Amino acid sequence: SQQGEEDPQALSIQEGENATMNCSYKTSINNLQWYRQNSGRGLVHLILIRSNEREKHSGRLRVTLDTSKKSSSLLITASRAADTASYFCATGRGAQKLVFGQGTRLTINP
Amino acid sequence: DTGVSQDPRHKITKRGQNVTFRCDPISEHNRLYWYRQTLGQGPEFLTYFQNEAQLEKSRLLSDRFSAERPKGSFSTLEIQRTEQGDSAMYLCASSADRGWDQPQHFGDGTRLSIL
Repeated sequence: SQQGEEDPQALSIQEGENATMNCSYKTSINNLQWYRQNSGRGLVHLILIRSNEREKHSGRLRVTLDTSKKSSSLLITASRAADTASYFCATGRGAQKLVFGQGTRLTINP
Repeated sequence: DTGVSQDPRHKITKRGQNVTFRCDPISEHNRLYWYRQTLGQGPEFLTYFQNEAQLEKSRLLSDRFSAERPKGSFSTLEIQRTEQGDSAMYLCASSADRGWDQPQHFGDGTRLSIL
């Protein structure tokens, strides 16, 4: 079963604009992770935020986590055509499975 | 670090046939995971190995599915008597055994098509 729900399901913006994707989840977590998937490829890990953290940055990525609302957001600044992909949030509990949302399909228009 | 390798990349077979996929994780990773992903959906967890021990199986993994990791290195996922509903991308991932907060590294998957 899929725990996370991403919003929006699809997002199309112009190159150079910022893209924001949101994720909600249902149960308690140890961490929340964001992954990127290009068409026909595997998932690439982007960033991990622990349950006791509220914000994390990595290059053009900014992730926030609100455990009281069971939600997270991923911001990509100054988007590029190469950022076109599907983005998934996944919640982790312990060392075992990740539970993924359905993803946001991001399209960056040149 | 050569990444997670999966073979084959694509498999087309007739309904009722058996298929086997292979995953080679990153060499120093003790944890290995299998996921299934259908079109337009996120990956769904199938099973997890810590070294050679299979520690968790999803109820999605019916008795037609079996996974092994005999020496704690590579893993195989076998589907017997394939059905149309088995058509999906099968993804393998591995991670280091250094606490709870380790990212998983994914292979490019095996796309299975059942005719």
